[in-house]
Amino acid sequence: DSGVTQTPKHLITATGQRVTLRCSPRSGDLSVYWYQQSLDQGLQFLIQYYNGEERAKGNILERFSAQQFPDLHSELNLSSLELGDSALYFCASSVEGQGSAGELFFGEGSRLTVL
Amino acid sequence: GIQVEQSPPDLILQEGANSTLRCNFSDSVNNLQWFHQNPWGQLINLFYIPSGTKQNGRLSATTVATERYSLLYISSSQTTDSGVYFCAVSPMSGGSNYKLTFGKGTLLTVNP
Repeated sequence: DSGVTQTPKHLITATGQRVTLRCSPRSGDLSVYWYQQSLDQGLQFLIQYYNGEERAKGNILERFSAQQFPDLHSELNLSSLELGDSALYFCASSVEGQGSAGELFFGEGSRLTVL
Repeated sequence: GIQVEQSPPDLILQEGANSTLRCNFSDSVNNLQWFHQNPWGQLINLFYIPSGTKQNGRLSATTVATERYSLLYISSSQTTDSGVYFCAVSPMSGGSNYKLTFGKGTLLTVNP
C-alpha cells in the first residue's frame, strides 16, 4: 500500500460525459501529480500541484482540468469525453526535495472506459 | 525533453533465472526511479536511485549518473516477478525537473 488513495477504481461512461477522479496523497506530501497511461502513449505526465498551486503542466488536454484543495486532496475533471480518453489515470504524491520531486508514490489508478 | 530508453523491450525467463534490465537517459538527472507494474496495473516502487547502488532482497539497482544509465538486476526470478518494469527520470535542470518522464518499459514474463 503506497498510502495514495484514488477513487473510483473503475468507471464506465459514455462519450460526451464528464467525470471526476479523486486522489488523496500520502500524509505529509504536498505535491500531487496526475499521469495517464494508455496503450499507445504509455505513461504521460498531465499536471502537478504543490500545496494548492499548479506547478507544472504536461500533455493535458483543454477538456481536462485539475485542482488541489486546502486539505491537499486533488481532483482531475475530464469533460466532453471521447473514446480515446479511455485509459488508466494515476495519481502520485511526493515530499519535494530541493530542486527535485523526490520519490513519487503512485495510487492504484482509476480505470476509465468511455463507450 | 529528456529521453529515456529501456532495454530489452521484452524478456522471457524460466523461474530461477537471473536478468538485467537497462535504462539509458539523455541528460543529467536528479531523480531516477524503478517501478514494477503488476498484471493488475498497480505501479509498485522498487528503487529511488538517482545515483549509486541499492539492494532489496532479490532485486538490486545501480545508477551510473555520469554515464547516464541505470541497471536493475533480478536474481532467482519468480513467476510473481512478471509484469512491466519502468524506469522514470527527471532532469537536473530546466523547467521539467519536478516531472518524471517514463520509459516504455520492459515486459518480463517468468514461466514456471
